[in-house]
Amino acid sequence: KNEVEQSPQNLTAQEGEFITINCSYSVGISALHWLQQHPGGGIVSLFMLSSGKKKHGRLIATINIQEKHSSLHITASHPRDSAVYICAVRSYGNQFYFGTGTSLTVIP
Amino acid sequence: KAGVTQTPRYLIKTRGQQVTLSCSPISGHRSVSWYQQTPGQGLQFLFEYFSETQRNKGNFPGRFSGRQFSNSRSEMNVSTLELGDSALYLCASSFTGLTGANVLTFGAGSRLTVL
Repeated sequence: KNEVEQSPQNLTAQEGEFITINCSYSVGISALHWLQQHPGGGIVSLFMLSSGKKKHGRLIATINIQEKHSSLHITASHPRDSAVYICAVRSYGNQFYFGTGTSLTVIP
Repeated sequence: KAGVTQTPRYLIKTRGQQVTLSCSPISGHRSVSWYQQTPGQGLQFLFEYFSETQRNKGNFPGRFSGRQFSNSRSEMNVSTLELGDSALYLCASSFTGLTGANVLTFGAGSRLTVL
């Protein structure tokens, strides 16, 4: 049983499209992270959320603590957004659990 | 401000050997966490250190160990290497306040191949 489930696993979009990636989790959490990983391995932290909504440029992340669900939205997608997006949660027991990632390809 | 530095970036070992990986956090960050990433299992949490103390540990065998020094630099060690230990090992640092939940900054990783 995975503590963190992401959907979709793979996503192909045309440049300019609005994209949504979903994350559901089953444990009590102190924080949820959205991470971006480009080919070659480097991971960048996009957002850390414990409630509500955060926005950074074309990226928006929301979390609903009661429903144990978070979404990452990308507005006006661009080929440079092509990457794997990973949802991770920090549980109340200070364990980290990761989703399997969503591989996004944005076609020009 | 320098980022998180991991060394070595690439290494090849044979089964039965041991390996030590190093992670230098961002200046001022006191928490260092380690992760293993494989194609089959994805990202998995290894352990987290704060102020030289292991705060929590993931579900890995005792062959995996780590430590943190007074300057917050951290090392992880894997003894008696197995083929399945081939992976990208990532560390992340954060400034951990009272809540214990802060933004993570990741290093580029150490890619270990076990032959």
